[in-house]
Amino acid sequence: KQEVTQIPAALSVPEGENLVLNCSFTDSAIYNLQWFRQDPGKGLTSLLLIQSSQREQTSGRLNASLDKSSGRSTLYIAASQPGDSATYLCVVSGAGSYQLTFGKGTKLSVIP
Amino acid sequence: DGGITQSPKYLFRKEGQNVTLSCEQNLNHDAMYWYRQDPGQGLRLIYYSQIVNDFQKGDIAEGYSVSREKKESFPLTVTSAQKNPTAFYLCASSIYSGTGGLYEQYFGPGTRLTVT
Repeated sequence: KQEVTQIPAALSVPEGENLVLNCSFTDSAIYNLQWFRQDPGKGLTSLLLIQSSQREQTSGRLNASLDKSSGRSTLYIAASQPGDSATYLCVVSGAGSYQLTFGKGTKLSVIP
Repeated sequence: DGGITQSPKYLFRKEGQNVTLSCEQNLNHDAMYWYRQDPGQGLRLIYYSQIVNDFQKGDIAEGYSVSREKKESFPLTVTSAQKNPTAFYLCASSIYSGTGGLYEQYFGPGTRLTVT
């Protein structure tokens, strides 16, 4: 059974700092990996999706990488801003599956 | 504007009452999902539907029921049999590639249910 782990569970950084959020998964037979952002009391907003054949995806200040063989993905946030404060979730779609596996998230606080 | 709507945003019920949460999507997605989110526990799958008139139990289906009579609608009923129904409920939809897996998943804004 696929398991997704996100480290750290919480992170606090000063504004302007570059940071990396980590995600690891136990089964490398994935179809894609998606990073989401969740603000308190809100739904999930998709940030980046990486297909299993891809190594990375970029959107603005965000860059997500995927190393399928080692079961790892990272989300890099450049020049962090207070508005980046949220919980970031890593979600894996299994090959041939209708179900997703969710990490428990990293709660990010960017201090002005 | 394509997306997923959930209503209501907040819902309050007395213990012992059934309650139905609404989920509608206009993305033309075949697959729809219901998740429950509790503090510190992450998202857990309640039910999912791959196609109209078909649905499958997820990890925590006990005390819940669903229907899928239309492609765009996937309502969730929280029955009185659900022991701890107070939670944040999220609906989602996606397209299945056929031979690979799920494409990008989209989420609704959620419904916070409080049962007292």
